[in-house]
Amino acid sequence: AQSVAQPEDQVNVAEGNPLTVKCTYSVSGNPYLFWYVQYPNRGLQFLLKYITGDNLVKGSYGFEAEFNKSQTSFHLKKPSALVSDSALYFCAVSPASGGSYIPTFGRGTSLIVHP
Amino acid sequence: DVKVTQSSRYLVKRTGEKVFLECVQDMDHENMFWYRQDPGLGLRLIYFSYDVKMKEKGDIPEGYSVSREKKERFSLILESASTNQTSMYLCASGQFKEQYFGPGTRLTVT
Repeated sequence: AQSVAQPEDQVNVAEGNPLTVKCTYSVSGNPYLFWYVQYPNRGLQFLLKYITGDNLVKGSYGFEAEFNKSQTSFHLKKPSALVSDSALYFCAVSPASGGSYIPTFGRGTSLIVHP
Repeated sequence: DVKVTQSSRYLVKRTGEKVFLECVQDMDHENMFWYRQDPGLGLRLIYFSYDVKMKEKGDIPEGYSVSREKKERFSLILESASTNQTSMYLCASGQFKEQYFGPGTRLTVT
């Protein structure tokens, strides 16, 4: 069975500093990996995905994520945080072939960017 | 842009009532999903559908049913609402393993 771990319930960072939100996964075979963001009282918005190719994936709002196969990680990063980045972030994984295409989501990490 | 709409943003119902949550997508996606979101538990899949009139149970189907009579519409039904079904309900549609979410319905059962 596939699973996702987001080891931090909350990440605090000062505006202008780099941010990292961690995600590790477990899946049979190669993964498809996703990051979503949720602002208060809203649905999830797609940020970026890794399907194949370059390990560094660039997404919306200046976010990027690095796929590391040996460490089974897909950490979300941004070079300079904004207060408006404060939100709930979800990592998700599904198998690239075979099995269920239904993605499994992590429990979410609350990002708080302080002015 | 893909648009997924949900019939209500906020809903308050009484215990024992039958509750309908509607979801409509405009991208001709085959797959549609219903999740519930609770603090500390993330997203949990209730039901999904991969075609009209087809449905599959997710991780927590108990107390829920679904209906998909048309490709663009996927309904979640709470046959007899209970207080432990108070939650945020998210609908999603998707193709090729990427999902698009609606704004969510925050349901309170009193």
